[in-house]
Amino acid sequence: EIVMTQSPATLSVSPGERAILSCRASQSVSSNLVWYQQKPGQAPRLLIYGASTRATGIPARFSGSGSGTEFTLTISSLQSEDFAVYYCQQYNNWPPMYTFGQGTKLEIK
Amino acid sequence: QVQLVQSGAEVRKPGASVKVSCKTSGYAFTTYAVHWVRQAPGQRLEWMGWINAGTGTTRYSQKFQGRVTITRDTSATTAYMELSSLTSEDTAVYYCARWYNGDGSFDYWGQGSLVTVSS
Repeated sequence: EIVMTQSPATLSVSPGERAILSCRASQSVSSNLVWYQQKPGQAPRLLIYGASTRATGIPARFSGSGSGTEFTLTISSLQSEDFAVYYCQQYNNWPPMYTFGQGTKLEIK
Repeated sequence: QVQLVQSGAEVRKPGASVKVSCKTSGYAFTTYAVHWVRQAPGQRLEWMGWINAGTGTTRYSQKFQGRVTITRDTSATTAYMELSSLTSEDTAVYYCARWYNGDGSFDYWGQGSLVTVSS
């Protein structure tokens, strides 16, 4: 099973600054990497798919990069609504397996 | 607009079963897969399985194989997830999510259903 590891566990950043979140896969997942945002009491929200493509309606301040085993989610100029938990997720169509990282909590500094 | 609306919170005793529903609307139900993902308190999201809403074909995570059953009712555009032999470790929020093959992502999610297992 592919294990996804996110770092750091918690990131404290001031509004207006940039946040960089990392996700590492235990083996190559090519570009089959997705990022989600989750706020308390809510379902996850799709941000980035294919490692670097923003989902519909996602602001341009969110960007994803990487391939293989190392991935990054960058949020430039943090807004108050961006403070949340972020998860990366890899998928393999066959055999079907979808695994998530443990999440990075982005908090206000 | 696309919506996935799940059934409400459930409380079960250890050893019992629970069935959660996911009513979909706003898209062609049979052309997408519906997945189930759970999140135990303070834990990461965990994939359980999926159903091809068109064919009814299912695939399950090895962890839940034998304990989970995912079904669908095409006339009701609703998917169901039943989990049996519950233990306290199954206390979690259960989400249904639509898988979009084109992007390779869970693009829409239900609001979540809390299942509490307690004696």
